[in-house]
Amino acid sequence: EAQVTQNPRYLITVTGKKLTVTCSQNMNHEYMSWYRQDPGLGLRQIYYSMNVEVTDKGDVPEGYKVSRKEKRNFPLILESPSPNQTSLYFCASSLNSRSTDTQYFGPGTRLTVL
Amino acid sequence: RKEVEQDPGPFNVPEGATVAFNCTYSNSASQSFFWYRQDCRKEPKLLMSVYSSGNEDGRFTAQLNRASQYISLLIRDSKLSDSATYLCVVNKGYKLSFGAGTTVTVRA
Repeated sequence: EAQVTQNPRYLITVTGKKLTVTCSQNMNHEYMSWYRQDPGLGLRQIYYSMNVEVTDKGDVPEGYKVSRKEKRNFPLILESPSPNQTSLYFCASSLNSRSTDTQYFGPGTRLTVL
Repeated sequence: RKEVEQDPGPFNVPEGATVAFNCTYSNSASQSFFWYRQDCRKEPKLLMSVYSSGNEDGRFTAQLNRASQYISLLIRDSKLSDSATYLCVVNKGYKLSFGAGTTVTVRA
């Protein structure tokens, strides 16, 4: 089944404890991205990757890191999480970075930073 | 100013009614436009793309007005299953901008 998977789905952690949220897609998509969703603000793009080893900042990259060593995986790293990073996170992929491509989203990761 | 703005609603309508709502976007260089549907904080899923000439997909009709920089979605003959949050999405180059969503609740 074609899908985007994220792990963990739910995470409660404490300030400053490094964490990684994994994202994997099995559709051979070139383009992957991370979003956070907060009430009243909609989804905001954190980072995106147009292909292996090619990443760039989105609208809200501060406090996050990403890597794209393989086409299928695009982990999101929080080196020192803070409470303002409490949010719902979605990973998404699309065939390539053409503006008309459909985005396929993972099921989301609900992160709470205490 | 947000790049994409939507009326948050909620629009509370009876089954069978028609409901319509808009979103506005600020970047005149935006290239592609979409409506995504999101159920109860689950992952968004593409509902339909929006083309310059307007387009229909069953009971859903989308319109684009580039001069006024707004996009509309109309749902005819509403079903209970149409209850969701509808996200307006605008694409320029490699970046997508999402509206905060319009919530529609269809009641029996």
